[in-house]
Amino acid sequence: IQLTQSPSSLSASVGDRVTITCRASQGISTSLTWYQQKPGKAPKILIYETSTLQSGVPSRFSGSGSGTDFTLTISSLQPEDFATYYCQQVNSYPSTFGGGTKVEIK
Amino acid sequence: EVQLVESGGGLVQPGRSLRLSCTASEFTFRHYAVSWVRQAPGKGLEWVGFIRPTIYGGTTEYDASVKGRFTISRDDSKSVVYLQMNSLKIEDTAVYYCARIFMATIPQPYYYGMDVWGQGTTVTVS
Repeated sequence: IQLTQSPSSLSASVGDRVTITCRASQGISTSLTWYQQKPGKAPKILIYETSTLQSGVPSRFSGSGSGTDFTLTISSLQPEDFATYYCQQVNSYPSTFGGGTKVEIK
Repeated sequence: EVQLVESGGGLVQPGRSLRLSCTASEFTFRHYAVSWVRQAPGKGLEWVGFIRPTIYGGTTEYDASVKGRFTISRDDSKSVVYLQMNSLKIEDTAVYYCARIFMATIPQPYYYGMDVWGQGTTVTVS
């Protein structure tokens, strides 16, 4: 299953609402996980099962979707949110990641 | 502190082998599945494979790019997962991360995602 993220990069300002999309090449129900990665660091899980916020993750992050189309939304971008975001499908093996979306400071 | 620590990375020639280790601490290791994920320089994340908990057979799944060359195994008595990499190729050059997978067990095993990650170990094939 291929995952296509868009955009591959975006520039935004602190306080902006940001939406990242992840499209699967076939239906994966709600078996989608989102990660955040900062340079030189390991990824950090944000959301699993499409919309369930991992413990400790700020509520400005949210996820939605089902089937083939999914979104990660940051309601009000904060300085610490500038990073690269990846989706991962866990519906079937091999598991796969999207290509990533780099969120940069405008 | 719950953590995973990778070791065993380094410089290796094409065609040779290398074994990575992932040592867990401060959680009940045998209850968890563990994945390996890699990231080539300047590239995105790539799922390599994972091993199920021993209670679910300790079976493995692999990406097509490594199947037949890489083997994941675990030693619950030592809280360690291994990634044996044979017939290494230049394109295997990457930072390799191990990560704990959290899961549901009822009504059947379901693997949600990776909630604890190691710091990564670098493998250079050249």
